[in-house]
Amino acid sequence: NFMLTQPHSVSESPGKTVIISCTRSSGSIASNYVQWYQQRPGSSPTTVIYEDNQRPSGVPDRFSGSIDSSSNSASLTISGLKTEDEADYYCQSYDSSTLVFGGGTKLTVL
Amino acid sequence: EVQLVQSGAEVKKPGESLRISCKGSGYNFTSYWITWVRQMPGKGLEWMGRIDPSDSYIDYSPSFQGHVTISADKSISTAYLQWSSLKASDTAMYYCARLWVIPNWFDPWGQGTLVTVSS
Repeated sequence: NFMLTQPHSVSESPGKTVIISCTRSSGSIASNYVQWYQQRPGSSPTTVIYEDNQRPSGVPDRFSGSIDSSSNSASLTISGLKTEDEADYYCQSYDSSTLVFGGGTKLTVL
Repeated sequence: EVQLVQSGAEVKKPGESLRISCKGSGYNFTSYWITWVRQMPGKGLEWMGRIDPSDSYIDYSPSFQGHVTISADKSISTAYLQWSSLKASDTAMYYCARLWVIPNWFDPWGQGTLVTVSS
């Protein structure tokens, strides 16, 4: 099996841009789709990115996803930060019949 | 509207059994897998396993194999997660989610069921 490693926390000011990374320990990041979920305190997770870089309807285009094979990592970029973006973010991918979440990143918008 | 509605919070004693449920509506229940996720207090998301409601084929995470049982009753569009003997370490929030098999995308999620195991 593989692991997905995320920074424990990131912080940035409103209006700025933040990038959250998700590094795959083994196997190619490009071989299996990556999803990103947002979880606000006390709420269920919701999708902000699926299939590496697709946004579900209703998710603002301030959210974008990308894959970098050279670093074997995925990234979630949030531009024009708003206080409402403060939440935990999880990346998720898979390998054959095993699904894996990253450890989560706490985003603070201050 | 696609919805997954989970059963209510539970408080149990160690050694007791438990089954929690997840009812799907607004879509063809047998066309998508259902998956279960654990979130221990203050911790991250952990994938537990998934079931294909059309034939009840199941994949378990190695971390949960043998500790829980996943099942489904397609006649009532409901999936289940059950324990035969709870431990204090099973205290957590449990989420179900609809699983899009390719790309193994969890969406939408249920509201969660809080399970508390305490003597």
